[in-house]
Amino acid sequence: EAGVTQSPTHLIKTRGQQATLRCSPISGHTSVYWYQQALGLGLQFLLWYDEGEERNRGNFPPRFSGRQFPNYSSELNVNALELEDSALYLCASRGGSRNTEAFFGQGTRLTVV
Amino acid sequence: SQQGEEDPQALSIQEGENATMNCSYKTSINNLQWYRQNSGRGLVHLILIRSNEREKHSGRLRVTLDTSKKSSSLLITASRAADTASYFCATAMDTGRRALTFGSGTRLQVQP
Repeated sequence: EAGVTQSPTHLIKTRGQQATLRCSPISGHTSVYWYQQALGLGLQFLLWYDEGEERNRGNFPPRFSGRQFPNYSSELNVNALELEDSALYLCASRGGSRNTEAFFGQGTRLTVV
Repeated sequence: SQQGEEDPQALSIQEGENATMNCSYKTSINNLQWYRQNSGRGLVHLILIRSNEREKHSGRLRVTLDTSKKSSSLLITASRAADTASYFCATAMDTGRRALTFGSGTRLQVQP
């Protein structure tokens, strides 16, 4: 069974540009979570999608947005990139119950120069 | 602010010693989970403990949960150099639809 896959692995963008990050959840998982992890720090919750809808949003500006497609894959878009957006972006998927673990992808390393 | 906070932030021990990490949280939870992250990679789930459980074991891992103190501990016994990683606790809240909330992690270094 394939795990959570994220693409690209690395992404280098210039300040002011837009970045699109992609995530494919484990087959059968309807929930996708996005987290930002700045270097050496913990995980900051960004967005949660379930059944195609945004369910919860972390404390991030509106230029962080995303969507979930009918096949439950997801995109994270970051507009007007700033230098401090440089981080590892992690996607996780989870089954329907709260009593389940989250499965993480290997992340996309975004560098804004 | 983070729901879960790990303590200590960093821990360095010798191979063979036990490592204990603590996690405190603020609100009622449905369950608490521990994850491991190897140097900037994805997180791997270690163990889940439900709010009605007090202790759980998995191999060399032992997790305790004290809901009255809103705290949990992760004990790794007989540590190995391969246990070197960051360890995070994550809480699933009791009510409402909320994402897993992660703490800032404990960086464990096991010296061979």
